[in-house]
Amino acid sequence: GNSVTQMEGPVTLSEEAFLTINCTYTATGYPSLFWYVQYPGEGLQLLLKATKADDKGSNKGFEATYRKETTSFHLEKGSVQVSDSAVYFCALSEGGAQKLVFGQGTRLTINP
Amino acid sequence: ETGVTQTPRHLVMGMTNKKSLKCEQHLGHNAMYWYKQSAKKPLELMFVYNFKEQTENNSVPSRFSPECPNSSHLFLHLHTLQPEDSALYLCASSQEWGWGNFQETQYFGPGTRLLVL
Repeated sequence: GNSVTQMEGPVTLSEEAFLTINCTYTATGYPSLFWYVQYPGEGLQLLLKATKADDKGSNKGFEATYRKETTSFHLEKGSVQVSDSAVYFCALSEGGAQKLVFGQGTRLTINP
Repeated sequence: ETGVTQTPRHLVMGMTNKKSLKCEQHLGHNAMYWYKQSAKKPLELMFVYNFKEQTENNSVPSRFSPECPNSSHLFLHLHTLQPEDSALYLCASSQEWGWGNFQETQYFGPGTRLLVL
């Protein structure tokens, strides 16, 4: 079946550092790809998404590009802030818009 | 605030107890979902309800019993759980955009953290 693999955490960076969280997927067909973020004590929030190959999703300074040739959707941010500390989940839609398949999550901690 | 609320936020129960989790969405959506989030495991979809009708049961044990009385409310009734059922249970909702198709973005509640002793 379809699956999503994220880089293992936790990831700890200093403020203003460059962030990359790797995500690769296995899918039949052409899924949509998502990054969700979970701040402490809260539910998941959609951060960004891309629906077809070469699309770039972006939000709050984060970006990810749908790379079909490498089956990847890596999350990047040029300068992280303490407020970006959270757990980040990569996901794909499977067999229709209602089935989301998630990666295991990557915990990110930003130190001032 | 995402418009999806869950109660209680924390729950401790024994294996012989019966309890219920409640989810309410204030977004006017007509699809609702239960997910299980266990430590170091990906989120697992448990149930999907569209227009109050269950459309997905992802091989969930019968000790978990969902109920959807209307499009705004979703319950998860729990009975004779096992310690391995301890997890964060997340509710989500999404909107139908037409012809039985649903938007891909799901809106999540904060979850109920369940501990089974």
